[in-house]
Amino acid sequence: QSVLTQPPSVSGAPGQRVSISCTGSSSNIGADYDVHWYQHLPGTAPKLLIYSNNKRPSGVPDRFSGSKSGTSASLAFAGLQAADEADYYCQSYDNDLGLWVFGGGTKVTVL
Amino acid sequence: QLQLQESGPGLVKPSETLSLTCTVSGVSVNNSSYFWGWIRQPPGKGLEWIGNIYYSGDPYDNPSFKNRVTMSIDTARNQFSLRLTSVTAADTAVYFCVRVSLVLTGFNWFDPWGHGTHVTVSS
Repeated sequence: QSVLTQPPSVSGAPGQRVSISCTGSSSNIGADYDVHWYQHLPGTAPKLLIYSNNKRPSGVPDRFSGSKSGTSASLAFAGLQAADEADYYCQSYDNDLGLWVFGGGTKVTVL
Repeated sequence: QLQLQESGPGLVKPSETLSLTCTVSGVSVNNSSYFWGWIRQPPGKGLEWIGNIYYSGDPYDNPSFKNRVTMSIDTARNQFSLRLTSVTAADTAVYFCVRVSLVLTGFNWFDPWGHGTHVTVSS
């Protein structure tokens, strides 16, 4: 059971806007800790997609965006592409547990 | 370009010690601007943070591992290492090494990641 909750899967047609939610609690996201997002294609190195809630590392397309409100965060895809098929994980910190925590991951499928 | 590469045995017997090394290229591990860390993913499960280590060797590990974790830095080889003692089948996972951003504790992100190395615990 992951500390942060994500939907197991999300799907959409090419060009469609989709989003992934990441729900935490008052001891992590709600405690104002930042949320970061990673993209992972199995067999490859996970890649940082969004850091500090809404910042994109150099090289990440601007069709990816992140937001945070209250005890939740969200990763949005402005126009889904076939190359976006991957697993996506959110990450934050939990001050009750004293450790960095992840969501269970969301598999994105392009129809 | 900064790259991280994990190495170590792919099979470890129960009750023995799992030892992994991460070789860093493109930046010195002896750099006060970063932490270095380990994360794992058991089969069919999510990601689990194991621990971080600072260039000075100061570690910070996940309490759920109940003191089974030891981390170290070898500045001469530009590597950092993980030792996990008394392993069981539950320690079977893909293990990733990462660089940890040096910001206020709790606001850190992990970038980049190694490709990961699969470790199976079995007799």
